[in-house]
Amino acid sequence: NAGVTQTPKFRVLKTGQSMTLLCAQDMNHEYMYWYRQDPGMGLRLIHYSVGEGTTAKGEVPDGYNVSRLKKQNFLLGLESAAPSQTSVYFCASSPVGYNSPLHFGNGTRLTVT
Amino acid sequence: AQKITQTQPGMFVQEKEAVTLDCTYDTSDPSYGLFWYKQPSSGEMIFLIYQGSYDQQNATEGRYSLNFQKARKSANLVISASQLGDSAMYFCAMREPLRSARQLTFGSGTQLTVLP
Repeated sequence: NAGVTQTPKFRVLKTGQSMTLLCAQDMNHEYMYWYRQDPGMGLRLIHYSVGEGTTAKGEVPDGYNVSRLKKQNFLLGLESAAPSQTSVYFCASSPVGYNSPLHFGNGTRLTVT
Repeated sequence: AQKITQTQPGMFVQEKEAVTLDCTYDTSDPSYGLFWYKQPSSGEMIFLIYQGSYDQQNATEGRYSLNFQKARKSANLVISASQLGDSAMYFCAMREPLRSARQLTFGSGTQLTVLP
């Protein structure tokens, strides 16, 4: 029972490089999310998806793009990485139920130099 | 304005004692949900407990309980009989129904250290 799987676990990029973070869930959840965690700021929502083929902006979407071509996968892209995007990125998923918690992946630590 | 406020950046507690982690929230919606998560040093996010705004009783899950004071808009986490393994970052989060994707809004967290 894998739950939510994120790849890679760690990555170092140079300013201007691009990359894609992969998130896969095997719980058949409708909703998926990308958060970033920075010291002293908790988790902030980047983008989210309410179903296959749909995406929407969260609180801090600038510099990121997402796609959800299949229900189980949610991809986060950085087209031109900046040092301000150094962070820990979490993917999460949730069923439709209102009292259902988010299920998180183990995070990706990204450093942009 | 901050929707979730955790005013204690760090807390210390002696092993086997109880500890309360504070959380206040701000919403104008009568229907909402409150969640607590634990993040140990290994980094994963672990769901602990949930309280709905219409729930009549305070939520409990093992050694975790939620002291829900609706009029004060507070949802404090109480950990009884602290253990060394409780040392972690703790996040309070809120879900509001008007947010279309049921996402959670998180506070900045409280770092709890349990002393032997």
